[in-house]
Amino acid sequence: KQEVTQIPAALSVPEGENLVLNCSFTDSAIYNLQWFRQDPGKGLTSLLLIQSSQREQTSGRLNASLDKSSGRSTLYIAASQPGDSATYLCAVPLYNFNKFYFGSGTKLNVKP
Amino acid sequence: DVKVTQSSRYLVKRTGEKVFLECVQDMDHENMFWYRQDPGLGLRLIYFSYDVKMKEKGDIPEGYSVSREKKERFSLILESASTNQTSMYLCATRDPNSPLHFGNGTRLTVT
Repeated sequence: KQEVTQIPAALSVPEGENLVLNCSFTDSAIYNLQWFRQDPGKGLTSLLLIQSSQREQTSGRLNASLDKSSGRSTLYIAASQPGDSATYLCAVPLYNFNKFYFGSGTKLNVKP
Repeated sequence: DVKVTQSSRYLVKRTGEKVFLECVQDMDHENMFWYRQDPGLGLRLIYFSYDVKMKEKGDIPEGYSVSREKKERFSLILESASTNQTSMYLCATRDPNSPLHFGNGTRLTVT
């Protein structure tokens, strides 16, 4: 059974800092991995989808990397802003894409 | 952009009521999902549907049923609401090998 872990559970940084969020998974036979952000009381917003054949995927100040062999993905946020404050979750699908395994999330607070 | 619309942001219902949560997507996606999210328990899959009138149970289907009569609409039904079904309910959609997209969620309180 796939287990997805995100450490740390919470992170507080000053504005402008570059930061890295971590996601690890136990079964490396994944098809892709997706990163989301969730604002309080809202749904999840898709940030990046990285396919198993890719090493990196970039969108604006966000960069996601994937290392299947070590069972790890990182989300790099450059020049963090208070508007980046949210909970960030990663998810991997089961082989038939009928189920997704979610991490418990990292709650990020960017202080002005 | 994919749009996933959940009909209500907040709902308050009484114990024993039948509750309908509606989800509509505008991208002709095959797969639709219902999750609930609770503090400390994360997201848990209730049901998913891979085509019209097709459905499969997720991890916690007890006390719930679903309906998918049209491709764009996936309904979650609480047959007889109970207080332990107080939760945030999230609908999601996707096509094969494409990103999972979520609606804004419905915060349901059962009193």
